[in-house]
Amino acid sequence: DTAVSQTPKYLVTQMGNDKSIKCEQNLGHDTMYWYKQDSKKFLKIMFSYNNKELIINETVPNRFSPKSPDKAHLNLHINSLELGDSAVYFCASSLAGLAGGETQYFGPGTRLLVL
Amino acid sequence: SQQGEEDPQALSIQEGENATMNCSYKTSINNLQWYRQNSGRGLVHLILIRSNEREKHSGRLRVTLDTSKKSSSLLITASRAADTASYFCSHNTDKLIFGTGTRLQVFP
Repeated sequence: DTAVSQTPKYLVTQMGNDKSIKCEQNLGHDTMYWYKQDSKKFLKIMFSYNNKELIINETVPNRFSPKSPDKAHLNLHINSLELGDSAVYFCASSLAGLAGGETQYFGPGTRLLVL
Repeated sequence: SQQGEEDPQALSIQEGENATMNCSYKTSINNLQWYRQNSGRGLVHLILIRSNEREKHSGRLRVTLDTSKKSSSLLITASRAADTASYFCSHNTDKLIFGTGTRLQVFP
């Protein structure tokens, strides 16, 4: 069984469009995350949710809006896509929050290309 | 920047050789973790070392931590072609910070 799954795996879209990426974990974890990995492979945290509540919100444009309907799901909606949004987006989860040094489990990534 | 930095950025070795990667960080930490990322895939957790530990082993992996130098090393012994991947260190304070990784290529 897949522990952390993301859909879609690939997303190619035009500038200005709105798109969503879905993430689900079946590990029973309380905390979920979204990361962005750019072309230089730098992995940067965007958001963290603990039990459906926003914990970390890095300086991400407000075009990015995470939504957590329940603690097993954390979706990422992006409005008015820009060329610079092209990257690989990874969802991850952990049993508890980061302060406890919990291991994170990553999804396979969503490759977003904005044309 | 709080991000960790892996060194070297890229490493190429033959199967059977040992691979050593280093990681430096700037802030005090609770623990440090190493992850592996195969091309086109998500990160996979390898090993965690706590700030009060100096060395840890897991199979062919050996991790050391020197908090006085704010550095860690990952040693992969008897490398295999399947070890080809990017390796990231990460450390947490109130959020998990990743470096840019060491890209390891193991030739058969």
